[in-house]
Amino acid sequence: NAGVTQTPKFQVLKTGQSMTLQCAQDMNHNSMYWYRQDPGMGLRLIYYSASEGTTDKGEVPNGYNVSRLNKREFSLRLESAAPSQTSVYFCASRGFGGNQPQHFGDGTRLSIL
Amino acid sequence: AQTVTQSQPEMSVQEAETVTLSCTYDTSESDYYLFWYKQPPSRQMILVIRQEAYKQQNATENRFSVNFQKAAKSFSLKISDSQLGDAAMYFCAYRIYNNNDMRFGAGTRLTVKP
Repeated sequence: NAGVTQTPKFQVLKTGQSMTLQCAQDMNHNSMYWYRQDPGMGLRLIYYSASEGTTDKGEVPNGYNVSRLNKREFSLRLESAAPSQTSVYFCASRGFGGNQPQHFGDGTRLSIL
Repeated sequence: AQTVTQSQPEMSVQEAETVTLSCTYDTSESDYYLFWYKQPPSRQMILVIRQEAYKQQNATENRFSVNFQKAAKSFSLKISDSQLGDAAMYFCAYRIYNNNDMRFGAGTRLTVKP
């Protein structure tokens, strides 16, 4: 009954370092998403993948890349981390059907010094 | 651009009483979905309730219900018989039909007083 699993849960990076956040879902969902959550701003969409092999930019894609490795896995990469990318990152997935809600992972708290 | 506004950064309610959290949204679309998510201190995002815009009947899930006013673009959440476990951040979210881009409000922090 895992749902959406994110790793790691916490990470501290230095400015300029690279990092990949991993996400996997076991619900056979087609769509997957990456969000960032900053204080007072709710969640903002970084990238999403409507199906295996496709990715699209969301509201705040700059400084990030993604890979939809297969149907289960969707990774988020920071090539050169900046302090402005300090945030909590959430991965989510959604099944087929317009009214299907997104199911979220537990988040990754990322701090960039 | 779609925007979601939660005008109450913080709310408090006495245990066993009722509280209403406000949400308004801006859209030119006619087919869309609205959601309320709860985020307790554990950080997990939990779906509370959802509403399809084409349905006139307000959604209800146990102690949680919504007041959906499509013309006013308003989607408020009512929590009845509040419990200590209801204390959390509550986020209103909006998504256009057949679109993957979901927009969230900034959240309302709900405190439940014993």
